[in-house]
Amino acid sequence: DADVTQTPRNRITKTGKRIMLECSQTKGHDRMYWYRQDPGLGLRLIYYSFDVKDINKGEISDGYSVSRQAQAKFSLSLESAIPNQTALYFCATKQGRSGEQYFGPGTRLTVT
Amino acid sequence: AQSVTQLGSHVSVSEGALVLLRCNYSSSVPPYLFWYVQYPNQGLQLLLKYTTGATLVKGINGFEAEFKKSETSFHLTKPSAHMSDAAEYFCAVSAPNYGGSQGNLIFGKGTKLSVKP
Repeated sequence: DADVTQTPRNRITKTGKRIMLECSQTKGHDRMYWYRQDPGLGLRLIYYSFDVKDINKGEISDGYSVSRQAQAKFSLSLESAIPNQTALYFCATKQGRSGEQYFGPGTRLTVT
Repeated sequence: AQSVTQLGSHVSVSEGALVLLRCNYSSSVPPYLFWYVQYPNQGLQLLLKYTTGATLVKGINGFEAEFKKSETSFHLTKPSAHMSDAAEYFCAVSAPNYGGSQGNLIFGKGTKLSVKP
């Protein structure tokens, strides 16, 4: 079984809809991250969480919100989706400051 | 603050040829450096990392990278390309021992490697 899972894997939604992307991990890591990937732009950090009560904005948090429901679960929400939020979204986990990050398989989101 | 520049958004090599993917970083403090690979329709997988110590780092699938502080570089190499190496490669930097960055990764924009038969 995968250590970091993301659901759904693919989603098509309409402008203005609320959507939630979910991430779960079985690695027991304390830190979790949400990134978006756009062609030619690499990965950009949306939000990160060091534990359940410590959530921080990343480089591009506008239009997004997150919830850390438990150490193992970190959800990303788009309150009112817009077409330029069409992207590939990745969740990642890490243990402590100096550990390496482990990535989920990604969610491909299309907003029409 | 840290930043990463990957030279060349696309690199094409012939099967059996040397693979060289370039990465230069900027960091005001000693960095940790990483190379990740992304195969089509998959997430990112760690290829190798430099933290401290030996500057030549060996990773999976025959890849290696050398940390050159004087050149602020961490180029990725493989002596002989294989068709299965076709993927997108990302260089990343962090500074986990320094408070401001919190150990977060800063990624380059990626280099797509094509391997011709």
